[in-house]
Amino acid sequence: EDKVVQSPLSLVVHEGDTVTLNCSYEVTNFRSLLWYKQEKKAPTFLFMLTSSGIEKKSGRLSSILDKKELFSILNITATQTGDSAIYLCAVEARSNYKLTFGKGTLLTVNP
Amino acid sequence: ETGVTQTPRHLVMGMTNKKSLKCEQHLGHNAMYWYKQSAKKPLELMFVYSLEERVENNSVPSRFSPECPNSSHLFLHLHTLQPEDSALYLCASSQVGTYGYTFGSGTRLTVV
Repeated sequence: EDKVVQSPLSLVVHEGDTVTLNCSYEVTNFRSLLWYKQEKKAPTFLFMLTSSGIEKKSGRLSSILDKKELFSILNITATQTGDSAIYLCAVEARSNYKLTFGKGTLLTVNP
Repeated sequence: ETGVTQTPRHLVMGMTNKKSLKCEQHLGHNAMYWYKQSAKKPLELMFVYSLEERVENNSVPSRFSPECPNSSHLFLHLHTLQPEDSALYLCASSQVGTYGYTFGSGTRLTVV
């Protein structure tokens, strides 16, 4: 059974801090790993990672995948209150295209 | 809007009621999904429809009944639910063979 474990489950920081969110996974026939941000309702897409060691970057957010060790990290630098959200990690299997999600990390950024 | 629209946004129903959740996607995708999101649990896949055929039913109780009349619409029919069924129900769509899903905003369901 495919499995995704995220850590920490929750995190409280101050504006300007840098945070690292972790995601480890087990999946049969890995296809991709995805990060989503969920603020109020709909998770919104952040990154998709398929190749090991290649960093994806978007502004203050970046992510990298280690396919050998089966984990990914999501970094957020110079955090802002608008970064407060649940960050979801999911893995997609090549065989069925289904996403298996972790429980998410609840990030709270205080002013 | 993400291109995936869910209605209603909020629903309160009694345990003897029958109601339906609706999902519509305007992205030309050929697969649609129902997920359940409960507090402190991962998003749980309930149903998968690919090319309008149900390809997955993740051991969901029969009080949840999906319907996919065409590639753009997905329903979740609810009857005789339990209070523990209260959750956020998210619809998503994708194009099989490409990466990632697009989610709707969800329906917050409360069963009283």
